Amino acid sequence: EVQVVESGGGLVQPGGSLRLSCAASGFTFSGYWMTWVRQVPGKGLEWVATINQDGSEKYFVSSLKGRFTIFRDNAKNSLFLQMNSLGAEDTAIYYCARTLYLLDFYFDYWGQGTLVTVSS
Amino acid sequence: SYELIQPPSVSVSPGQAARITCSGDKLGDKYACWYQQKPGQSPVLVMFQDTKRPSGIPERFSGSNSGNTATLTIIGTQPLDEADYYCQAWDSNTAVFGGGTKLTVL
Repeated sequence: EVQVVESGGGLVQPGGSLRLSCAASGFTFSGYWMTWVRQVPGKGLEWVATINQDGSEKYFVSSLKGRFTIFRDNAKNSLFLQMNSLGAEDTAIYYCARTLYLLDFYFDYWGQGTLVTVSS
Repeated sequence: SYELIQPPSVSVSPGQAARITCSGDKLGDKYACWYQQKPGQSPVLVMFQDTKRPSGIPERFSGSNSGNTATLTIIGTQPLDEADYYCQAWDSNTAVFGGGTKLTVL
């Protein structure tokens, strides 16, 4: 069974940093692109970043470039999101999603999400 | 930046057809996909490449995409289809989501 499980969320002060993790199982992790999507509770979905199979290609939403970094460890079947200089606007549920590329990218399996709260 | 526009809400009676639209500049030249999200749950892919249903998605879900509008259609809508629906497309190496449509079945 395909599973992606996020962890690492929590309460962080403004200006702080946090690293989110996503543990994948049930599929060959190194064969898939992976993506982070976030959602402010009660609001819509916002794409954050996508990374290719070996980490050599990364795409970010332009508003987050420079503060967030996506990377992966295929040996540990894990995806990461390093978030720096956090502000209240980064408060959201962060989802990890397996990403298919079939003429275009699709997010076919999502984790349950991890909540990040930026507050003093 | 590219934008996808969805109606905030759509209401339908059980058994009727629900149509949820997603508008974007020349969206028909791109591939659209759709996600369903029920309260307290993670999104689920229900349509990709405009018209393709992932395994496990009921046949009552169908999609189309032409011109500036992609449409998700649910034939014979059931109460369990009540959810938020998001369209999504890629533009210039950027994934874009629509604002979401709350489908109410009443």
